[in-house]
Amino acid sequence: QKEVEQDPGPLSVPEGAIVSLNCTYSNSAFQYFMWYRQYSRKGPELLMYTYSSGNKEDGRFTAQVDKSSKYISLFIRDSQPSDSATYLCAMSGRGSEKLVFGKGMKLTVNP
Amino acid sequence: DAEITQSPRHKITETGRQVTLACHQTWNHNNMFWYRQDLGHGLRLIHYSYGVHDTNKGEVSDGYSVSRSNTEDLPLTLESAASSQTSVYFCASSGGSRNQYFGPGTRLLVL
Repeated sequence: QKEVEQDPGPLSVPEGAIVSLNCTYSNSAFQYFMWYRQYSRKGPELLMYTYSSGNKEDGRFTAQVDKSSKYISLFIRDSQPSDSATYLCAMSGRGSEKLVFGKGMKLTVNP
Repeated sequence: DAEITQSPRHKITETGRQVTLACHQTWNHNNMFWYRQDLGHGLRLIHYSYGVHDTNKGEVSDGYSVSRSNTEDLPLTLESAASSQTSVYFCASSGGSRNQYFGPGTRLLVL
């Protein structure tokens, strides 16, 4: 079992839809949880960052962490064609700067 | 503005040749990372460095080496290129916040 599991999709939704992206993990030492967005032929860029459990909201984006279930989610409200990208979850343990990434989910938002 | 650059952006080489990919960052970050990204595997860590003269092996380090002689640069060397090393390579840096800033990537084709 890989440390971080993410359904690679692809996922295609109409504009305006609510999108839910998820990752599960097996390492209970993970304390830092991130979502990166990667546009085609570009490097990933940090979208959301959460420490430990709880929710974090930034505009149309909400990140949730449920450490008891080892499950993290990213919600995108009112999705836009400009949200079309690959979304990667990433995690890190305390005292380590290394990130463990999920495989990434390719999202397409159709106008 | 601070940035992270990679060169070359595209490279075609033959099996058995030595190849060096450059990574340069102007963030003055101590931490630097090399990843490869392949379909079905996501981002996998090759090598990383927490400071000058510090290097560490990642998940897929066989056939690769790095050296860190200054803060700004972490070149990645493929000792004897193999077709299995055809991939997109990303360099990243971080200043200790676990937010890794990624370069634009190098597309390497080994024939």
